Amino acid sequence: AQSVTQLDSQVPVFEEAPVELRCNYSSSVSVYLFWYVQYPNQGLQLLLKYLSGSTLVKGINGFEAEFNKSQTSFHLRKPSVHISDTAEYFCAVSDRGSSASKIIFGSGTRLSIRP
Amino acid sequence: GAVVSQHPSRVICKSGTSVKIECRSLDFQATTMFWYRQFPKQSLMLMATSNEGSKATYEQGVEKDKFLINHASLTLSTLTVTSAHPEDSSFYICSASHLPGQGLATNEKLFFGSGTQLSVL
Repeated sequence: AQSVTQLDSQVPVFEEAPVELRCNYSSSVSVYLFWYVQYPNQGLQLLLKYLSGSTLVKGINGFEAEFNKSQTSFHLRKPSVHISDTAEYFCAVSDRGSSASKIIFGSGTRLSIRP
Repeated sequence: GAVVSQHPSRVICKSGTSVKIECRSLDFQATTMFWYRQFPKQSLMLMATSNEGSKATYEQGVEKDKFLINHASLTLSTLTVTSAHPEDSSFYICSASHLPGQGLATNEKLFFGSGTQLSVL
């Protein structure tokens, strides 16, 4: 069985500063990894996903994440955040070959941007 | 992108009453929808998989008689929390799967509703 840990429940950052949201996972099999974002009063949207290949994955809105198999991590980064990045971010994992019903989500990290 | 509409966004009810939450896919047909629950500072937990025209599949530990799911059309799934109690207070989110047979590595995508905050007094 897989599990996902997002150690930081809240991350406050000043506008234009860099940010890293941490995600660690555990699994006995190869996995797919995802980051979803939930803006206020909206549904979760897919930011990016890692399926295979290059370990550095680029997503929407300038975000990227790096898959590190040895550290079982998939941290999300952005070099310079904007007020509009204020949202809840969820890391998720699934077995390779699974359907969407088998996605396991983390507990989320609330990113708040200070002007 | 595809849109999933979930209503209501917030509901407060008395203990013992039933509450219905609707999840609609607005611009695609969703044969498969999912219902999740999230307690404060915990993960989104899958409760059940809703399949159009058939019975829902519930995850272990989720009471099917407590959480009634109806997926009567290709664009609508409903979750009814029956005889709600304070411990049912939670954030409930639905999602709809687009192209569910093709797998996450290819074209299957999940589209989420904005969630329903249920508070049972």
